[in-house]
Amino acid sequence: GAVVSQHPSRVICKSGTSVKIECRSLDFQATTMFWYRQFPKQSLMLMATSNEGSKATYEQGVEKDKFLINHASLTLSTLTVTSAHPEDSSFYICSARLAGGRGYNEQFFGPGTRLTVL
Amino acid sequence: DAKTTQPNSMESNEEEPVHLPCNHSTISGTDYIHWYRQLPSQGPEYVIHGLTSNVNNRMASLAIAEDRKSSTLILHRATLRDAAVYYCILRGQAGTALIFGKGTTLSVSS
Repeated sequence: GAVVSQHPSRVICKSGTSVKIECRSLDFQATTMFWYRQFPKQSLMLMATSNEGSKATYEQGVEKDKFLINHASLTLSTLTVTSAHPEDSSFYICSARLAGGRGYNEQFFGPGTRLTVL
Repeated sequence: DAKTTQPNSMESNEEEPVHLPCNHSTISGTDYIHWYRQLPSQGPEYVIHGLTSNVNNRMASLAIAEDRKSSTLILHRATLRDAAVYYCILRGQAGTALIFGKGTTLSVSS
């Protein structure tokens, strides 16, 4: 099956710094990538949808200036958490949609990135 | 997308079948039923999906009620590695993001 990777898998940073998380589709091209956030004991919450070559669409309540998303190629999307604070500590998961996929199982998930802000 | 209702938790013994229910009484005719699962500290993993007919794959079976207002994910022989949160998700338009509810936490005992 299609593989999605995330880097780093775990990051610890100081409050006020910025952190970049990469999401790559390893063996397929993804026209659309999705970013989710998951707090402990809670479900995944969709943050934004990014399409290659265009601006991301953010869900209500998600600050676009704080969570910068870049989808520069069909295999790479990045999420930058700017000026991170302890409340941004969470599990961030990306998902990629197979380009040209018509099936309904075409959304593949990365392994997640655990962000801890001290 | 229509809402789904799942039990918060279920328990099973190893090597026994597990039936995970999902209610979706407001499902529309074009909504597909998806099941994903999430193991601890990992991203979600696709399990199975269907529209109207029952579906089988190497991981599980999906039984869909005739009126489509409910479905059941069937794990034929639970293993310890099947302990996870199972999400039942409806999606009507291909390509849109999957929206996750609370899911069912499945515990498997040896």
